Amino acid sequence: KAGVTQTPRYLIKTRGQQVTLSCSPISGHRSVSWYQQTPGQGLQFLFEYFSETQRNKGNFPGRFSGRQFSNSRSEMNVSTLELGDSALYLCASSWASTQETQYFGPGTRLLVL
Amino acid sequence: AQSVTQLDSQVPVFEEAPVELRCNYSSSVSVYLFWYVQYPNQGLQLLLKYLSGSTLVKGINGFEAEFNKSQTSFHLRKPSVHISDTAEYFCAVITIDNAGNMLTFGGGTRLMVKP
Repeated sequence: KAGVTQTPRYLIKTRGQQVTLSCSPISGHRSVSWYQQTPGQGLQFLFEYFSETQRNKGNFPGRFSGRQFSNSRSEMNVSTLELGDSALYLCASSWASTQETQYFGPGTRLLVL
Repeated sequence: AQSVTQLDSQVPVFEEAPVELRCNYSSSVSVYLFWYVQYPNQGLQLLLKYLSGSTLVKGINGFEAEFNKSQTSFHLRKPSVHISDTAEYFCAVITIDNAGNMLTFGGGTRLMVKP
């Protein structure tokens, strides 16, 4: 079974631009969560989508948004990029419930200049 | 709200020595507990999880962890480490009453195994 895939793996943008990151979950998984990892703030939860609906949301500004498609693939978008948005963005998928293991993708490393 | 504290940001240890990585959490409700490992330039991989039952949980790669409710701790242990265990380790929790998968992570512990 293929693992969680994230595209692109690396991205360089400039301040003020917007960016869209993609995540394809493991086949059959319906939940997709997004996390931001930075040296200063560590791993922080962004949001979770389940069956195309946002189920949980972390404490991030409205510039961060996401969506999930009917095939469970998910995208996250960051508008008006700031230098502080430079991070590793990790996507994780699981079958459904809280008890299920979340499987993480390799991440997309975003650098904002 | 819940929080997770990993008391050591770095743990150096010699190969074949035992190691313990400490994790404490605070939460007003019951939680599920997890340990993840992250190798350089990779995502996170689950080592083990505690949902209920026996407080001693065995995971992959010879790791185990013990849930201590009274001390709100979930320390990770390995009796004999290898060079290949060098990585960053994250403790995480999810509250049981949460309908979804919102993991709260600790700050991470970098395990450095020396020959």
